[in-house]
Amino acid sequence: EVQLVESGGGLVQPGGSLRLSCAASGFTISSYWMHWVRQVPGKGLVWVARLNSDGSITTYADSVKGRFTISRDNAKNTLYLQMNGLRAEDTAVYFCVRDYGYGGNPYWFFDLWGRGTLVTVSS
Amino acid sequence: DIQMTQSPSSLTASVGDRVTITCRASQTISKYLNWYQLKSGKAPKLLIFAASSLQDGVPSRFSGSGSDTDFTLAISSLQPEDSAIYYCQQSYSTPFTFGPGTKVDVK
Repeated sequence: EVQLVESGGGLVQPGGSLRLSCAASGFTISSYWMHWVRQVPGKGLVWVARLNSDGSITTYADSVKGRFTISRDNAKNTLYLQMNGLRAEDTAVYFCVRDYGYGGNPYWFFDLWGRGTLVTVSS
Repeated sequence: DIQMTQSPSSLTASVGDRVTITCRASQTISKYLNWYQLKSGKAPKLLIFAASSLQDGVPSRFSGSGSDTDFTLAISSLQPEDSAIYYCQQSYSTPFTFGPGTKVDVK
């Protein structure tokens, strides 16, 4: 089955760190740009970051730039989001998503989503 | 950043009704507009891309239209399983932004 499964969410204190993982199955992530999108509970969706197929190009939303790092291990077929300097406003469900474009040609919309992992930043 | 708005914020309709959701961009985005369906506890689902292209596996009762700044998602004959929140998203430029969502309830 083609799917993305996120893990690593939880409760963390302000200023703390967390690393999210996203395990892909049924397809090879090395052929796709990958993204993280988040949703504050009860609110809308916010794009967080993107990473190209070989891991050499990244882009971040201004709200997380300098604090979050997106990366991938193509051998493990896994995407990551390292989150440092966490703030209360980072509390959200984080979705791992696949870009629609195959073979390194992105389309900037998302055809496969995980179910998300909840990150709660609170003291 | 490109701001996306949606209307209405919520609607309730009956099975078999035709419903439409509007999405507006703060600047022209050509046809770089996509629609998603979110149901609680499930992975979000791509419905429409490039304003009017139906994603594989999505029922044909869903359709999209529009260009530049004004877009519409239509459900031609509402079904009980269509209860969800619908979001538009622009893929014209980073940061890729989403509308605030439209909650659809089926009575």
